[in-house]
Amino acid sequence: NAGVTQTPKFQVLKTGQSMTLQCAQDMNHEYMSWYRQDPGMGLRLIHYSVGAGITDQGEVPNGYNVSRSTTEDFPLRLLSAAPSQTSVYFCASSYLAERSYNEQFFGPGTRLTVL
Amino acid sequence: KNQVEQSPQSLIILEGKNCTLQCNYTVSPFSNLRWYKQDTGRGPVSLTIMTFSENTKSNGRYTATLDADTKQSSLHITASQLSDSASYICVVSSTDSWGKFQFGAGTQVVVTP
Repeated sequence: NAGVTQTPKFQVLKTGQSMTLQCAQDMNHEYMSWYRQDPGMGLRLIHYSVGAGITDQGEVPNGYNVSRSTTEDFPLRLLSAAPSQTSVYFCASSYLAERSYNEQFFGPGTRLTVL
Repeated sequence: KNQVEQSPQSLIILEGKNCTLQCNYTVSPFSNLRWYKQDTGRGPVSLTIMTFSENTKSNGRYTATLDADTKQSSLHITASQLSDSASYICVVSSTDSWGKFQFGAGTQVVVTP
């Protein structure tokens, strides 16, 4: 099991450029999510998905798009990068369960810098 | 205002010593509380998860406590090791917001020889 994988590990963009952060898991988890982590702040939820074809917004969704065409993959798209999107991005997955008791598994993160 | 506050922000302890980290939350209605360990440059890894009815839970040298009445939790590290150097994050979820978790900013622990 590779667990949760993310690519790339590092990325530098110019303002206005677009890119896709990739996330994949091989544990057959229904629930997948994207977070951003900024210095001095807790992880903040960007978007999440409870299964293929189903996505919903989290706390900070503006500037990001997601789609979930398969159980395994959950890419995060930045349509027009802004310096405020400079952050470390984490993807996480877990089994679907009532009351969120199941453990979330996190990927290694993508460090994004927008100039 | 963050609904999960952790203290201290950082601490330095000598190898072999014990330490206790604090987490206060206002999330309501409460579902469960988790403690994660995040090594530098890596994703968080779960240490413990506690529900409303659980007061304490251990994972090796890590012991978490929960007082749901006062909305406080602590993580106690016993006989610290150099490998305990990491950020420790408290995460609380609500029964009203399935799939959404409130993360604390974390406590940075540095264990020195």
